[in-house]
Amino acid sequence: NAGVTQTPKFQVLKTGQSMTLQCAQDMNHEYMSWYRQDPGMGLRLIHYSVGAGITDQGEVPNGYNVSRSTTEDFPLRLLSAAPSQTSVYFCASRYRGAPLHFGNGTRLTVT
Amino acid sequence: KNQVEQSPQSLIILEGKNCTLQCNYTVSPFSNLRWYKQDTGRGPVSLTIMTFSENTKSNGRYTATLDADTKQSSLHITASQLSDSASYICVVSAYNNNDMRFGAGTRLTVKP
Repeated sequence: NAGVTQTPKFQVLKTGQSMTLQCAQDMNHEYMSWYRQDPGMGLRLIHYSVGAGITDQGEVPNGYNVSRSTTEDFPLRLLSAAPSQTSVYFCASRYRGAPLHFGNGTRLTVT
Repeated sequence: KNQVEQSPQSLIILEGKNCTLQCNYTVSPFSNLRWYKQDTGRGPVSLTIMTFSENTKSNGRYTATLDADTKQSSLHITASQLSDSASYICVVSAYNNNDMRFGAGTRLTVKP
């Protein structure tokens, strides 16, 4: 039981490049979500999903896309990276009413 | 706007000492409040959950309190250990539970 797995752990992009951050969980959780964590700020919700085929926007969705074709996977796509997207990204999942299980994050730098 | 404010931003204490971290919130309607511990380079891990009817809950050396009237919570750490060095994050959920608001965290450093 690996929990929530995020890849890659580190990534450097140039402005305008695109990439996908991967997130997989093996706990059969319906709810999955993506957050970004910036210094001095709380985790902010980017997108979330309450089940396969269902996604919704969070607090800061601009510049990011998600899809949820399976219960296990919830990739986050950066369409055209900008320096403002430099951050640490966390994926999390949970069973209804239970605490969030977080991955160990992807540290993204956009130059 | 629903907000969660934590204090202090950072704290340094000596090993073996106690400390208390604060969380004030304006999230409404309130559902629950969780404290998470985040070690450097790792994702947050849940420590405890407080619901509206609960005043105090303990998890080992961690004791959380909740005053729903004043919308305040605290996390008390007893007999601190070096492994307690981490960020502690307060997360408040609104009633539909998909709207979770995160505090910026308190960075605790325990020194020998």
